Amino acid sequence: DIQMTQSPASLSASLEEIVTITCQASQDIGNWLAWYQQKPGKSPQLLIYGATSLADGVPSRFSGSRSGTQYSLKISRLQVEDIGIYYCQQASSAPPTFGGGTKLELK
Amino acid sequence: EVQLVESGGGLVQPGRSLKLSCAASGFTFSDYNMAWVRQAPTKGLEWVASISYGGSNTHYGDSVKGRFTISRDNAKSTLYLQMDSLRSEDTATYYCARPPHNNRYFDYWGQGVMVTVSS
Repeated sequence: DIQMTQSPASLSASLEEIVTITCQASQDIGNWLAWYQQKPGKSPQLLIYGATSLADGVPSRFSGSRSGTQYSLKISRLQVEDIGIYYCQQASSAPPTFGGGTKLELK
Repeated sequence: EVQLVESGGGLVQPGRSLKLSCAASGFTFSDYNMAWVRQAPTKGLEWVASISYGGSNTHYGDSVKGRFTISRDNAKSTLYLQMDSLRSEDTATYYCARPPHNNRYFDYWGQGVMVTVSS
């Protein structure tokens, strides 16, 4: 199975700050990478697919990028509603596997 | 509007069975593969099982293979997960999720249903 290593595990940031979360794949997955946001008590919501494509309705302050087998999720100006846990997931091969999550809190 | 509504969760003793359902609406259910993803309390996400749009192909995670069975009734637009020989480590919130065509990520998720395995 492909392993997805996400970092950091937790992150504290201020409003309007730039936030970056990374995910390292254990092997080449091309652009088959998705990012999800999970708010407390809610189900995960798709943010990014294809490593860089924004899902419908997702604010433009979210963006995704790729460098080799390392993937990044960037929030350009952190807002209160962005607080939650973020997960990456590889969609390259079965079984689909998720990163361990990054808990984003407000400083 | 796409909606996925899970039901059937609850408290069950180790070794017993439980069957989850996921009622789908807002899209042509029979056109899409479907999946179950679970999340143990305070833990991350774990893919459990997937089924093809027609129901003929199924795939399972190693931790549930041989104990869980995914199925679907396209006439009822409903997805199922039959869980047998339940263990304490199966305690989790179970989500029904829909992947887009020819993809393995999930663009729609249900609200989740809690399953607690305990004596």
